Formats: sequence, C-alpha cells, structure tokens
Amino acid sequence: EAGVAQSPRYKIIEKRQSVAFWCNPISGHATLYWYQQILGQGPKLLIQFQNNGVVDDSQLPKDRFSAERLKGVDSTLKIQPAKLEDSAVYLCASSLAGATNTEAFFGQGTRLTVV
Amino acid sequence: AQSVTQLGSHVSVSEGALVLLRCNYSSSVPPYLFWYVQYPNQGLQLLLKYTSAATLVKGINGFEAEFKKSETSFHLTKPSAHMSDAAEYFCAVSDDTDKLIFGTGTRLQVFP
Repeated sequence: EAGVAQSPRYKIIEKRQSVAFWCNPISGHATLYWYQQILGQGPKLLIQFQNNGVVDDSQLPKDRFSAERLKGVDSTLKIQPAKLEDSAVYLCASSLAGATNTEAFFGQGTRLTVV
Repeated sequence: AQSVTQLGSHVSVSEGALVLLRCNYSSSVPPYLFWYVQYPNQGLQLLLKYTSAATLVKGINGFEAEFKKSETSFHLTKPSAHMSDAAEYFCAVSDDTDKLIFGTGTRLQVFP
C-alpha cells in the first residue's frame, strides 16, 4: 500500500515570497490533516479536511495560509507571503475515518526554510 | 481543552536498559491516547494507542504503555533498549473532532 506522498521534500525561500506544498493521501482516506512542526516542538494542527470539506481550521493563520482539497483527494497548502517564523516541517497525514478510530498515516513532510 | 505533557525533552539510556518515557494527560472525559515515533527526516509512525479496551497496551517494536487514570498518565516503556530505538517520541490525545493533539516530544538516545 502506497503511503502519504508529499512534495517537495525541501524548500528554501526568502521572506515575503509565496510557497505551496502538495499532499497525496492514501487512496480511500476521507480525512486529511496538515500539521506544522517547528524545530523542538510537537506537531500543531493547521487544518483538517473530511473529504473536501473543512472540519477544523481554527489554528490556520488565514491572513497568509490557505489550503484546499479538491475532489476530496489531493491537497495543497499555500503560504503567501512567508515570514521567518514559518520555517518548519509541514506534515500531511490521512486516515480512513478520523485519527481516533482509524490510524493516521503521516508523510515524510516538507521542510521549509524562510530566509 | 485536552492536552498532553511530556516530562523530559531528552532521555538517554544504555543499550539493553529499560526505556521509560513519561506522558501525562489532561482531559475532562475518558481520553484516547497515542504514542508516535519519528525517526530522522521521517514522518510520524503509530506505536500504540489506548481506547479504553485495556489499560496495558502493547505496541510495535516491543513497546508498551499503561493507562493510569489515578495518575492521569500514559507512560511508554520498553524492557530493553536497542540502538534502533533512537528517535523522537510523541504522546498525543485525540479530541471529539478526531484530531491529534501532540506533546512537545522526547528525544531518546541509546548508547552502546
């Protein structure tokens, strides 16, 4: 079974530039999560999708971050404009029906460095 | 709001020694608790989870965790550490919207 695919693996941009990350979840997984993991901290949820609808985006900085999940499959996370404090690993995860009752599988993440 | 606290950001043990990673939870209702492991430059992998079926939960790679309601704890243990266990370990709790709330992590170092 193929895992959660993320691209790119690494990205370096200057502050105020824009960047986009892509996630392809495991086939058939209805729930998709984007997490931000700052160095030395635990992952923090940015947004949770159920199919193509948003379940929770309360911690997404909506003035600069946006995410979509077209057709309930692939998802993109965008930052525009980026700030230095956005430097982090962005993890995508998917689960069949929510992380409580079905396992959440994580991608390898995209490491973003903002200079 | 539900949360978890991991005591000790770094733990070092010798190969063959007992591994004990601490996690305490804060929840107003019976929680669902998880331990995840993250190897360098990898995503997170589920080690085990507690869903109220049994207080002692066995996971992969010889790890287990015991749910203690009286202590609000869910500590992770392994009787004998291997070099391959060196990684970062995260305790997590899920809320009623099925999202995982992670602790700050504990980095485990294993010395030969």
